Amino acid sequence: DAGITQSPRHKVTETGTPVTLRCHQTENHRYMYWYRQDPGHGLRLIHYSYGVKDTDKGEVSDGYSVSRSKTEDFLLTLESATSSQTSVYFCAISDRGVKETQYFGPGTRLLVL
Amino acid sequence: GENVEQHPSTLSVQEGDSAVIKCTYSDSASNYFPWYKQELGKGPQLIIDIRSNVGEKKDQRIAVTLNKTAKHFSLHITETQPEDSAVYFCAAITDSWGKFQFGAGTQVVVTP
Repeated sequence: DAGITQSPRHKVTETGTPVTLRCHQTENHRYMYWYRQDPGHGLRLIHYSYGVKDTDKGEVSDGYSVSRSKTEDFLLTLESATSSQTSVYFCAISDRGVKETQYFGPGTRLLVL
Repeated sequence: GENVEQHPSTLSVQEGDSAVIKCTYSDSASNYFPWYKQELGKGPQLIIDIRSNVGEKKDQRIAVTLNKTAKHFSLHITETQPEDSAVYFCAAITDSWGKFQFGAGTQVVVTP
């Protein structure tokens, strides 16, 4: 398995609170991605990074921000969590871009009450 | 952006039979089509992919076919085994960053 960890693995929070999810990789891959997975929607791209401090928006970026200060870490922040952000969040990495194999982390299950 | 439809949403097959999952896409610029398998409680894992310059690709019991004219591609699993039970996702990807989408997934159940 690719060396990807996500923390926390489970989180329960209240509406309006800030939440930060962390993705850590040991593969030195350039590209990192954050997805959310919801029933009936498959995987939807939130944000991605193509290098340190280089990030861009995906399909469903509203309400989310990201940061990447080191190659190995990609943070996803929900500035003010809403119930619609209850989901399972996956981080993924790839070496040469989106048209190559993406390796996924184990996921973070987030419940916003 | 890209729109990918995946069918069926659930598929139940007898062990040893074949399973076929079909995806259709809308963006003719799509040129990379991966398939991912997701087991319960885990992240998706790439099982096979195909690029637009190829019509078919096979890896042991798994094959993918691509029809660019009709804008659809399919996953074929032969001689299914219980360990093939999982959710399978397709995706259609273009050269434009951010412009890709996964299908909604197919739950495959292989019964002994």
